[in-house]
Amino acid sequence: DTGVSQNPRHKITKRGQNVTFRCDPISEHNRLYWYRQTLGQGPEFLTYFQNEAQLEKSRLLSDRFSAERPKGSFSTLEIQRTEQGDSAMYLCASSLNGGTLMDTQYFGPGTRLTVL
Amino acid sequence: AQTVTQSQPEMSVQEAETVTLSCTYDTSESDYYLFWYKQPPSRQMILVIRQEAYKQQNATENRFSVNFQKAAKSFSLKISDSQLGDAAMYFCAYRTDGGSQGNLIFGKGTKLSVKP
Repeated sequence: DTGVSQNPRHKITKRGQNVTFRCDPISEHNRLYWYRQTLGQGPEFLTYFQNEAQLEKSRLLSDRFSAERPKGSFSTLEIQRTEQGDSAMYLCASSLNGGTLMDTQYFGPGTRLTVL
Repeated sequence: AQTVTQSQPEMSVQEAETVTLSCTYDTSESDYYLFWYKQPPSRQMILVIRQEAYKQQNATENRFSVNFQKAAKSFSLKISDSQLGDAAMYFCAYRTDGGSQGNLIFGKGTKLSVKP
């Protein structure tokens, strides 16, 4: 069990550019979540997948944000036309729905995005 | 909508002493799960302890235990024999039970410092 991994760990971009982040969940986990965390705050939910289906999206997920999990394994989160307000830590988590551990979510190390 | 409140932005404890972090939540549901996560300065979120709302018995994990008061909607974390490695941000989180809604709702966190 290698845990949840995220790439890149850090991303610096200029306003208006597109960025894409990747998350690889724990291998047997069928649910995958994206959260955003700004400095001094708790993580805020963005969206989640069960297998390849995107089941829920937060109102925080504007039209510039899109997430995919094409084969029910890894996921990508893309932000188009980045704005300075998008600067944050983007966290990915995975869980096993229907398991015995209360669907506990395990987090990756995050991708720190800085928009200049 | 469910909310989670952590009323202590910062706490401090002497090494080897005991400290309690507070968390209250608001929900109209009867079945749910509660979690405490730790986020050290490296920022990877680590699960500390979890509690099912239908269980009256308080969860314990080594030096960590909770005081779950369902009627009062309170879920405090007690850390015994505090160690320098316990210094971190601690987040209380809520998750509903069942249905398609699977995301965690976090409080704003409590920054714990441990003095040698």
